[in-house]
Amino acid sequence: NAGVTQTPKFQVLKTGQSMTLQCAQDMNHNSMYWYRQDPGMGLRLIYYSASEGTTDKGEVPNGYNVSRLNKREFSLRLESAAPSQTSVYFCASSDTSGHLYNEQFFGPGTRLTVL
Amino acid sequence: GENVEQHPSTLSVQEGDSAVIKCTYSDSASNYFPWYKQELGKRPQLIIDIRSNVGEKKDQRIAVTLNKTAKHFSLHITETQPEDSAVYFCAASNNYGQNFVFGPGTRLSVLP
Repeated sequence: NAGVTQTPKFQVLKTGQSMTLQCAQDMNHNSMYWYRQDPGMGLRLIYYSASEGTTDKGEVPNGYNVSRLNKREFSLRLESAAPSQTSVYFCASSDTSGHLYNEQFFGPGTRLTVL
Repeated sequence: GENVEQHPSTLSVQEGDSAVIKCTYSDSASNYFPWYKQELGKRPQLIIDIRSNVGEKKDQRIAVTLNKTAKHFSLHITETQPEDSAVYFCAASNNYGQNFVFGPGTRLSVLP
């Protein structure tokens, strides 16, 4: 049982380049999330998906797109990377199928640097 | 939308003393309040959570209290140990994945 996995672990981009961060979970969770973590800012929600085929904006969605490919996978895409997107990105998943919040399980994170 | 404030931003205590971290939230619809611990370079992990129908919850040395009227909740760690040193985040959420907001974090240092 791997839990939540993310790839890549590290990435360096030049301004204007694009990339996709991958996330997968094997816990059969219906909800998945993407956060960014900047120093002193805590975790800020970018997008979330409450079920396969649905996505919703979080606090800081500008500059990002997401795809809930199936129940297991939730990807985050940067179409044109900017230095302000330098951050650590965490994916998380949770079982909210009973309409009650339960623990969010986090992936190991992706450290992204945009030059 | 929801706004979560957290105090203090840094906290240093002597080993064996207690530590208290406080959070306030703005959305009266929030009904779930988890606390996460994040060690340096690692992922956040849940340490305790509380729902709005409960005023207090304990798990060994860790406890959380909730005051819905005042919209604040607190993390209490007793008999602190060096391995408690980490960044602690509070969060608030309503049901169905809406408005899940984290506080900015508290860096706790337990001094031997």
